[in-house]
Amino acid sequence: DAGVIQSPRHEVTEMGQEVTLRCKPISGHNSLFWYRQTMMRGLELLIYFNNNVPIDDSGMPEDRFSAKMPNASFSTLKIQPSEPRDSAVYFCASISRDSRLDEQFFGPGTRLTVL
Amino acid sequence: AQSVAQPEDQVNVAEGNPLTVKCTYSVSGNPYLFWYVQYPNRGLQFLLKYITGDNLVKGSYGFEAEFNKSQTSFHLKKPSALVSDSALYFCAVRDGSNYQLIWGAGTKLIIKP
Repeated sequence: DAGVIQSPRHEVTEMGQEVTLRCKPISGHNSLFWYRQTMMRGLELLIYFNNNVPIDDSGMPEDRFSAKMPNASFSTLKIQPSEPRDSAVYFCASISRDSRLDEQFFGPGTRLTVL
Repeated sequence: AQSVAQPEDQVNVAEGNPLTVKCTYSVSGNPYLFWYVQYPNRGLQFLLKYITGDNLVKGSYGFEAEFNKSQTSFHLKKPSALVSDSALYFCAVRDGSNYQLIWGAGTKLIIKP
């Protein structure tokens, strides 16, 4: 298995532009998490899905952020409009709730820079 | 409320010496405890976990962690540090009812030759 796949790996954009981050979880995993990591705030959970349904989005900073999971193999995190303070590394992670492994598998992250 | 504390922002250890990275937690039910490691420019990787059973848990790369219920701690240890162990280490906890992890702030481990 290729692991959790995220794209793009790096994104540089200008303030006000729309940004879409993509994630493909590991096949068979039924929970997916979006995290944001910064030096100041550390690792923050933004939202997580179970069986494609958003369960907890309390970590989403504001209405500019939205996330979708249209099917079991794809999720997006969208920021519209983007702001410089959104600059961070965004990670996607997946887990199988039916597995005894009980570990989250992280993607390589998307480094977002908003100028 | 659930929480995780990693009291040290950074730990410095000489290569070959034992290392300890500290973690304390607070959770309402039975704790599920985890350690993850993050190497530069990479995602987090699972190291080990405690769910139940033996208080000493062994994981990847020679790491182990000791669950101490009375002290609500789950410190990460390794008998002999390697330079390649230098990374950012995260402790995390959840109760048994959901898969959302509560993360510590992370501890930067620096192993000097």
